[in-house]
Amino acid sequence: DQQVKQNSPSLSVQEGRISILNCDYTNSMFDYFLWYKKYPAEGPTFLISISSIKDKNEDGRFTVFLNKSAKHLSLHIVPSQPGDSAVYFCAASGNQGGSEKLVFGKGTKLTVNP
Amino acid sequence: NAGVTQTPKFQVLKTGQSMTLQCAQDMNHNSMYWYRQDPGMGLRLIYYSASEGTTDKGEVPNGYNVSRLNKREFSLRLESAAPSQTSVYFCASSEAGFERGITGELFFGEGSRLTVL
Repeated sequence: DQQVKQNSPSLSVQEGRISILNCDYTNSMFDYFLWYKKYPAEGPTFLISISSIKDKNEDGRFTVFLNKSAKHLSLHIVPSQPGDSAVYFCAASGNQGGSEKLVFGKGTKLTVNP
Repeated sequence: NAGVTQTPKFQVLKTGQSMTLQCAQDMNHNSMYWYRQDPGMGLRLIYYSASEGTTDKGEVPNGYNVSRLNKREFSLRLESAAPSQTSVYFCASSEAGFERGITGELFFGEGSRLTVL
């Protein structure tokens, strides 16, 4: 039972264009969402987050949008740069069965071509 | 700024051997975690420690034990390694733990690549 789904294993975009990474979740108890970026042979690093009371959070070139009714969030990177090439993990946090959980998606590998 | 340090970075074991993965953080964080990452599986929580002196099972705890030695250190032990435990293991820490709600980020180590033959 996959509660956080990243249905695109990979995405390829041209430098300067927009990258859109998508994430769907099934559990309505999730109330906080995070994106992590991971380069090869390194640990994931926090990128941006959004609380369920908001529908948008922006940090420089990165914007996360949350559509609670659709249980969908997306990460927009504008403009995309070759250094953005990495695996992006979506994660969701919330109370499940009386305890807080943090659940990760399987990741989307982004390749930004020069 | 060391952050989260894991040792060893690479290890090859034979089936049935035991080993301990070490993790230390210097950010004075309360909570620490062990994840494993497998191809196509994302990050799965093995065990976590919300605070010094407490540990709890995560999603995939079977075959592992943990020790929260002190606030800085959280170790993961494989008592009898199996090929299914071949994976990349990540230790992480955070200021707030699951019980207090995740409002900030997890800080990850660089990972430990374990191969069990």
